[in-house]
Parts: sequence; structure tokens; C-alpha cells
Amino acid sequence: KNQVEQSPQSLIILEGKNCTLQCNYTVSPFSNLRWYKQDTGRGPVSLTIMTFSENTKSNGRYTATLDADTKQSSLHITASQLSDSASYICVVSYWGSSASKIIFGSGTRLSIRP
Amino acid sequence: DSGVTQTPKHLITATGQRVTLRCSPRSGDLSVYWYQQSLDQGLQFLIQYYNGEERAKGNILERFSAQQFPDLHSELNLSSLELGDSALYFCASSPRPFATNEKLFFGSGTQLSVL
Repeated sequence: KNQVEQSPQSLIILEGKNCTLQCNYTVSPFSNLRWYKQDTGRGPVSLTIMTFSENTKSNGRYTATLDADTKQSSLHITASQLSDSASYICVVSYWGSSASKIIFGSGTRLSIRP
Repeated sequence: DSGVTQTPKHLITATGQRVTLRCSPRSGDLSVYWYQQSLDQGLQFLIQYYNGEERAKGNILERFSAQQFPDLHSELNLSSLELGDSALYFCASSPRPFATNEKLFFGSGTQLSVL
């Protein structure tokens, strides 16, 4: 069964600290993996997109890694800021019988404390 | 601002009723997607349209239907509403069907409360 699992479910860290969020997937055949940031009550906003051949992609203080062999991805946030408090969603795209399909992870809820 | 507009932002209605959610995609985007996000749940894909035609269907109930009009805006119709339909409904758009390296741009959502 095609699945995307994220961990931890929630995380609280102090402002200025680093953190790493995990995403494991079982979809096949894999197309790409995206990380989204979703502020409470808002629509998700794209952070990174990685295809099979890419193993790291950065967007400012956000760095995503992808290991297509183990089907794992991580999102590393450096020097966290209060504005980083949000849900971070891993989205995996794969090829279905007739079109590209998407599975959203349930997200990691990150809270940054001053 | 993603460029995707959803209306209304909030909707309160009663069980058994029917509502229509509206989405205007980003200028130039031909593909529209609808998602449901219940409290503390991940985003669930409902349905996708591309240039007026249904492209993919996810976990959409038979009580729900959608369409994309010639001007590319889309409407999601929810009927015989139940308490469990209360959720945040998101619309997203992309220039083409969800292809490699293509971003999805999300609207701010419509919060539906069924009482």
C-alpha cells in the first residue's frame, strides 16, 4: 500500500535551535517528494521539491534530504525562529496507472518557544 | 499571496444542507485540485480537474461533486451535509497536471462548520 509517514507527530524546541523532521514513504514508482509548510488556518506553501536523482535541496534555513534507496527524507531547520512554528507536510508523488498521484503525510506540528 | 482565491472563507450550515465552495486558480493555471483537511488530520485529496475535465479522483464521497468551468474557476458542491463533513477545504492549482518539479499553489481554504 502506498503510504507516507512523518515523525515526530509534534515537536517543541527553543528559538535558535536546530531540528530535523522525518518522512518515510512506501510509494512506487516514485516521482518526487515535496516539503510544505502550513501555518495554522492557511494553505500549505511549498518549501522544496526533489526528484529521484536529487539527494539534497536547500531553501534558506530549510534543507531537505532524500535517500531514494531507503525511501526516507528529512527536513532540517537551522537556527529556528518563532515564525517557523507551523505544520510541515511531506508530500510524495508517484506514477499511477494513468496519471501522477499524490499522497500527503499527516504532518509534523512544530512549535518554537522563545 | 499564492494567487489562488477561495470563497467563502467561512461557512456555517446545518446537517442535511447543501453548500458550494468556489475556487479561482492562479492566472494561467489550468489544473485545479480540491483537498479536505479535518481537525488534526492530513490533507485528503478529493478530486482534480484539468482544463475543464476531471483528471483524477481521490476519496471523494458520492454526496460531493465538483466541476471546472470554461473560465477555469472550479466549484465543489457538498450535499446532504453531515457533522463529519466539517473541515477545512483547500483548493490548489498548477499550470499543468501535477508533473515533476511543478509546484502546487494553495488557496487559504474554506472553513466549513456543519452544526
